[in-house]
Amino acid sequence: SQELEQSPQSLIVQEGKNLTINCTSSKTLYGLYWYKQKYGEGLIFLMMLQKGGEEKSHEKITAKLDEKKQQSSLHITASQPSHAGIYLCGADKKAAGNKLTFGGGTRVLVKP
Amino acid sequence: EAQVTQNPRYLITVTGKKLTVTCSQNMNHEYMSWYRQDPGLGLRQIYYSMNVEVTDKGDVPEGYKVSRKEKRNFPLILESPSPNQTSLYFCASKPGVATFREKLFFGSGTQLSVL
Repeated sequence: SQELEQSPQSLIVQEGKNLTINCTSSKTLYGLYWYKQKYGEGLIFLMMLQKGGEEKSHEKITAKLDEKKQQSSLHITASQPSHAGIYLCGADKKAAGNKLTFGGGTRVLVKP
Repeated sequence: EAQVTQNPRYLITVTGKKLTVTCSQNMNHEYMSWYRQDPGLGLRQIYYSMNVEVTDKGDVPEGYKVSRKEKRNFPLILESPSPNQTSLYFCASKPGVATFREKLFFGSGTQLSVL
């Protein structure tokens, strides 16, 4: 099993609807990163969370890290076709930050 | 433009034929890393390097080699590729390995098929 579990693995959402992706670990995370990948392309950095309870927003995307730093969620409000892609969460396995592990990814399709 | 450049973008080869995937970054980053991406498995780290001449194994290093002779370059070498190495490969870099968190910059990926 993976150290970072993402759910759901895939989802289809109607344009204009909200969606939430979860990222869960059995261990405390030193740093939690969210990336977006367009199909067949590289990864684009979205947000980074470090502190328990931290929440960050950029445009229509909000990411949260729980108090125990073991679970993060990514929420998209009023989804648009441009939000389609694969979302990956990543986390530092060690305090040193030299081993970043990733979840399996969540494929998002936005229906117009 | 600050970027991580991988080449080639696509590669089809046969079992046993040595190949090298190049990676170069123009941001003077100390840290570089290679990942492979497979369906359902997410990104798995192959090797990483914290500076010139300093490399270390990631989670799936078997069948791969790397070198870091220059700060900007971090090639991935498959001495004898096998079909189970068919995957999408990403090179990534970040400024350094410090006590504060830094995001990774990713290349566009190399889709490798080993027949």
